Amino acid sequence: KAGVTQTPRYLIKTRGQQVTLSCSPISGHRSVSWYQQTPGQGLQFLFEYFSETQRNKGNFPGRFSGRQFSNSRSEMNVSTLELGDSALYLCASSLPFGGAYNEQFFGPGTRLTVL
Amino acid sequence: AQKITQTQPGMFVQEKEAVTLDCTYDTSDPSYGLFWYKQPSSGEMIFLIYQGSYDQQNATEGRYSLNFQKARKSANLVISASQLGDSAMYFCAMREGSSNTGKLIFGQGTTLQVKP
Repeated sequence: KAGVTQTPRYLIKTRGQQVTLSCSPISGHRSVSWYQQTPGQGLQFLFEYFSETQRNKGNFPGRFSGRQFSNSRSEMNVSTLELGDSALYLCASSLPFGGAYNEQFFGPGTRLTVL
Repeated sequence: AQKITQTQPGMFVQEKEAVTLDCTYDTSDPSYGLFWYKQPSSGEMIFLIYQGSYDQQNATEGRYSLNFQKARKSANLVISASQLGDSAMYFCAMREGSSNTGKLIFGQGTTLQVKP
């Protein structure tokens, strides 16, 4: 079974540009979550999508947005990039069961550098 | 508010010895899950072990065990017989069961270095 895939793996952008990152979950997983990892702030939850609907959102500005398609693939977009957006962006997929146990499977991440 | 605290930024351990990585948590939800992930330098997060708040016994997975002390709100990871390949960043994370989302709250992480 293929794991979570993220494209691209590396990206270099300049301030003010926008970027779109893609995540393909494990087959059968309908929940996709996004996280931002930086040395200063650690791992922070961005948002979660389930059945094409945003189910939860972290404390990030509106420049960060996402969407999910009918095949469960998800994209996140960051507009008007700032230097502080340089980070490793991790995508995780899981089965859509509720409760405390719901193992999330992470992709390899997209490393975004903003110059 | 839910919170995870990992107080050890960095740890060293000799190969073949055991090491304990500390994690404390805070939540008002009686149903919650605690996870440990390993992040090598490549960046991907690798799931290691899970402990549910209602589990009576400490979780174990091979060389990994979780020392769960509910009253103290701690969930320390114990790695036995450390190997050079265990050198990585380790994260403790929590999900609240009533939240009905996949959202995980992570600690700041502990960098473990295994010495030969």
